[in-house]
Amino acid sequence: SQQGEEDPQALSIQEGENATMNCSYKTSINNLQWYRQNSGRGLVHLILIRSNEREKHSGRLRVTLDSSKKSSSLLITASRAADTASYFCATFSSNTGKLIFGQGTTLQVKP
Amino acid sequence: DAGVTQSPTHLIKTRGQQVTLRCSPKSGHDTVSWYQQALGQGPQFIFQYYEEEERQRGNFPDRFSGHQFPNYSSELNVNALLLGDSALYLCASSAAGRTYEQYFGPGTRLTVT
Repeated sequence: SQQGEEDPQALSIQEGENATMNCSYKTSINNLQWYRQNSGRGLVHLILIRSNEREKHSGRLRVTLDSSKKSSSLLITASRAADTASYFCATFSSNTGKLIFGQGTTLQVKP
Repeated sequence: DAGVTQSPTHLIKTRGQQVTLRCSPKSGHDTVSWYQQALGQGPQFIFQYYEEEERQRGNFPDRFSGHQFPNYSSELNVNALLLGDSALYLCASSAAGRTYEQYFGPGTRLTVT
């Protein structure tokens, strides 16, 4: 079963705009991660944020985590056509030792 | 340094048949996890192998089984295939104690007709 939900399910923007996608989860976690998937192939790890962190940056990516609300958001700034992909959040708990993924957001960036 | 590799890339099987998918972990990794990703869905955890034993299991029937070899490579076996088993099967490897840091292979696309 999925851990939580992501929204929106699909997002279409113009190149240069920012893209924001959100993730909610249900149980206690040790960290939350974001992955990208191109054309139904393997997952590429983007960024990890620990449960005691509130914000993290990596290049054009900014991730926030609100542990009290059990939610996270991924912001991609100055988007490019190459950012077109599906984005998944995944939570990890040391209690279970496994990653649990959301259903994903499909992002289309139009040139 | 080779990453996670999976074979085959694509596979077409008939209902009722059996299938074996293979995964070689990233160098230095000893833990392998398998995920099933149906079209339009997020990956779902099947099971995890460490020291040649199944350590964790998701909500999948016994038709799904696995194996890990001494060189840490792994196989996923699915018996009595159903149409609903059609999916992308992803393998991920990690180092013991760092199972939160998983590296994914490109996946095997299984189609059951």
